[in-house]
Amino acid sequence: DQQVKQNSPSLSVQEGRISILNCDYTNSMFDYFLWYKKYPAEGPTFLISISSIKDKNEDGRFTVFLNKSAKHLSLHIVPSQPGDSAVYFCAASAGAGGTSYGKLTFGQGTILTVHP
Amino acid sequence: KAGVTQTPRYLIKTRGQQVTLSCSPISGHRSVSWYQQTPGQGLQFLFEYFSETQRNKGNFPGRFSGRQFSNSRSEMNVSTLELGDSALYLCASSYRDGNYNEQFFGPGTRLTVL
Repeated sequence: DQQVKQNSPSLSVQEGRISILNCDYTNSMFDYFLWYKKYPAEGPTFLISISSIKDKNEDGRFTVFLNKSAKHLSLHIVPSQPGDSAVYFCAASAGAGGTSYGKLTFGQGTILTVHP
Repeated sequence: KAGVTQTPRYLIKTRGQQVTLSCSPISGHRSVSWYQQTPGQGLQFLFEYFSETQRNKGNFPGRFSGRQFSNSRSEMNVSTLELGDSALYLCASSYRDGNYNEQFFGPGTRLTVL
């Protein structure tokens, strides 16, 4: 039962253009969402997050959009740079307490390649 | 501020052996979570510790265990290793208790079981 899904295994974008990475979830208890970037042989690096009380959060070139009714979130990177080439994971957590403590549920990841 | 550190970075074991992995969280972080990453299953939650107490556990067999020390450092142990335990084991620490917590990951320990 995959509660967080990233349906695009890979995405290829030209430098300077927008990268849009998508994520869908099924668990309506999820109320906090995060995006991580991962390079080979390294741990995931936190990029940006959004709580369910918001529908948008921006940090520099990164913007995350949340559509709760569609159970969908997306990460926009503008402009894309070759150094952004990595695997991107979306993750979700469901409140605090009980079976939620310290638990992030991850999608399968999307490989982003930004061409110069 | 130093990041999350994990030791060792690489480990090779044979079936039936046991292994202990170590994680030092970011200074001041009291919550430590462990994850297993494999090509087939992705990133799967193992367990979480806070103030030396395991508060949450994922869907893994009892061969997987952990503990946390008073300085928030954590260890995880896998006994009776199986080939399927070959994976990248990631540790993450978090500052605040409760929800809305970013987790910061270490570089991982790559375990290979032969």
